[in-house]
Amino acid sequence: GAVVSQHPSRVICKSGTSVKIECRSLDFQATTMFWYRQFPKQSLMLMATSNEGSKATYEQGVEKDKFLINHASLTLSTLTVTSAHPEDSSFYICSARELGSGRLYNEQFFGPGTRLTVL
Amino acid sequence: AQSVTQLDSHVSVSEGTPVLLRCNYSSSYSPSLFWYVQHPNKGLQLLLKYTSAATLVKGINGFEAEFKKSETSFHLTKPSAHMSDAAEYFCVVSLWGAQKLVFGQGTRLTINP
Repeated sequence: GAVVSQHPSRVICKSGTSVKIECRSLDFQATTMFWYRQFPKQSLMLMATSNEGSKATYEQGVEKDKFLINHASLTLSTLTVTSAHPEDSSFYICSARELGSGRLYNEQFFGPGTRLTVL
Repeated sequence: AQSVTQLDSHVSVSEGTPVLLRCNYSSSYSPSLFWYVQHPNKGLQLLLKYTSAATLVKGINGFEAEFKKSETSFHLTKPSAHMSDAAEYFCVVSLWGAQKLVFGQGTRLTINP
């Protein structure tokens, strides 16, 4: 149980276009989903926290107009990279926290990641 | 504020020998601690977690970690390395009741045949 999927797994786009990445909790309801960014050979950096039905909370230094996050249901969150540029190329990973179930409050389940390359 | 330091960016061991990945944390209150593994171009898989119960925590694939409050450490060990253990390992801390996870910089584990 507690499986998180991401789609697409890999995307290549031209500079100036927008890209949408989906994050789904497949077998549980996620009250909260998180979006991370990982540069090559580096650790994960939290970009934003999104709660179902409310606006996302962005970390300091993350442009909310650049990285649009929508969490419309308890099983789906989307990250849209708007007007992408080569410096946005990165590995984007989402995670989800399960509603109730007695799990640790702060335990997160991670998706497999999406590799974005902007040409 | 909480933080976590992984003391080695790269560890290399021979297959069949013990593995030790070191992690020190800083937290004002009782932390939750996790070890995650990431294989190349993959997401993160939870190896084990400390939740203020037993200080010696057993995880998947033969890994275990010991929470030592006096040393503020949570080192990850495995008695005998396997080639499939080659990956990036992250030590993660979170305050009890807090949503955010704070990641260490990661340790790349290489297994030599």
